Parts: sequence; C-alpha cells; structure tokens
Amino acid sequence: AQTVTQSQPEMSVQEAETVTLSCTYDTSESDYYLFWYKQPPSRQMILVIRQEAYKQQNATENRFSVNFQKAAKSFSLKISDSQLGDAAMYFCAYRNNYGGATNKLIFGTGTLLAVQP
Amino acid sequence: EAQVTQNPRYLITVTGKKLTVTCSQNMNHEYMSWYRQDPGLGLRQIYYSMNVEVTDKGDVPEGYKVSRKEKRNFPLILESPSPNQTSLYFCASSPTGRPNYGYTFGSGTRLTVV
Repeated sequence: AQTVTQSQPEMSVQEAETVTLSCTYDTSESDYYLFWYKQPPSRQMILVIRQEAYKQQNATENRFSVNFQKAAKSFSLKISDSQLGDAAMYFCAYRNNYGGATNKLIFGTGTLLAVQP
Repeated sequence: EAQVTQNPRYLITVTGKKLTVTCSQNMNHEYMSWYRQDPGLGLRQIYYSMNVEVTDKGDVPEGYKVSRKEKRNFPLILESPSPNQTSLYFCASSPTGRPNYGYTFGSGTRLTVV
C-alpha cells in the first residue's frame, strides 16, 4: 500500500525568508501524481502545486516550487519570500494514475507552518 | 462558480442521534469521496463513489453510511454517532480519468459528538 510521510509536524519561518517542507512517499508504481495542499485557518483545502511523476522538471507556481526526487521518493515544497498569508497547515498527497479504488488521494499527516513577522 | 457545497459547517450532537452531512457538487464529476481529518493523522478516506449507485468503503468506514442516488449529491450518514467520530469532515470530488486533477474540496464540517 502507498504511504505518505511528513516528518515535520511544525515549522517556523521569518517573513521574507525561504522554508522547505519535507515529504517522502512509498509506492511500487511508476506513474503517479504528487500534490501539496494548503489549509489555512479557514479550513479550506487549497491546491498549491502538483507534480507528474514522469516529468523530471520540478513544478513551480510563483513563490512555490518543489524538489522532486523520484528515485529517493522525496517531494519537498519550497516557499520563497514567505508571507504572513502562507501560515497554514500543509499536506503532501499522492495519487495513482489508475482508476478504481486506487484512484484516491493519500495524504500525509501535515506540517503546520508559522510565519513570524 | 464551480464548487463542492457541504452542510452544515458546524454540528454538535449527542451520542446515538442520527445525523446527515450533505454534499453537493456542480461540476458533473463522477468521483466523490468523504474524508475525516484528525490531528496527527492527516486526512483519511471514509467512503468513495465512482458514479451513481456505485459506492465503496475507504480506509475508515466503520460507523458511516453513504448513498449516491444522484450524480451531484453524496451525503454522509452517521446512524448512531459516537464520541470517537468527533472530527473534521471533508467532501471532495474529481472527474474520473484525470488523476492529475487532485480534488475539489468542500469547506469542511466540524462535528462534535458529546
């Protein structure tokens, strides 16, 4: 069974600095997708960035980028120029590229990011 | 606006009193799912539905029921709630055949069972 591990329950960063959130996963599949979701205090789940496993190039969305290491099964999120609005719980998630029961999103346990002014 | 609508946002109930959390999506998605979020455990899947009248258990289905009579609606039913079902619940939807889509989530239901 696939699993997703986030080993940092909490992180803190100074405003305008850079922070990296870690995520590792375990799968025997070769074709899959990885996601980072942000959950601010409003509880809304917001998709931050996604990565397709067959693409070697790391995904980037404005100040958010990932470091995808397929062989190491690692998928870290880097937030540059951190802003107060980045304070939230961040979840790493995995999804197979197949239908049926394996089509679910599998989540890590989350990392709570605090941004200090 | 494309969205998943979940109600209620907050709910406090007593042990054993049947309740239903509603979920509706307006994106014509085939796949719908319920998750519960607990501190230190992340989000875990309760039930999912691949299409109308097709539902199946997720990882933590005990104590829950679902139905999918219409494509847009996927209610979560707790027939006899217990305190260990106190949690934050999310409904989500996704088109099938597009795993890169991720999910569209509802805004969550905070359930407290006393």
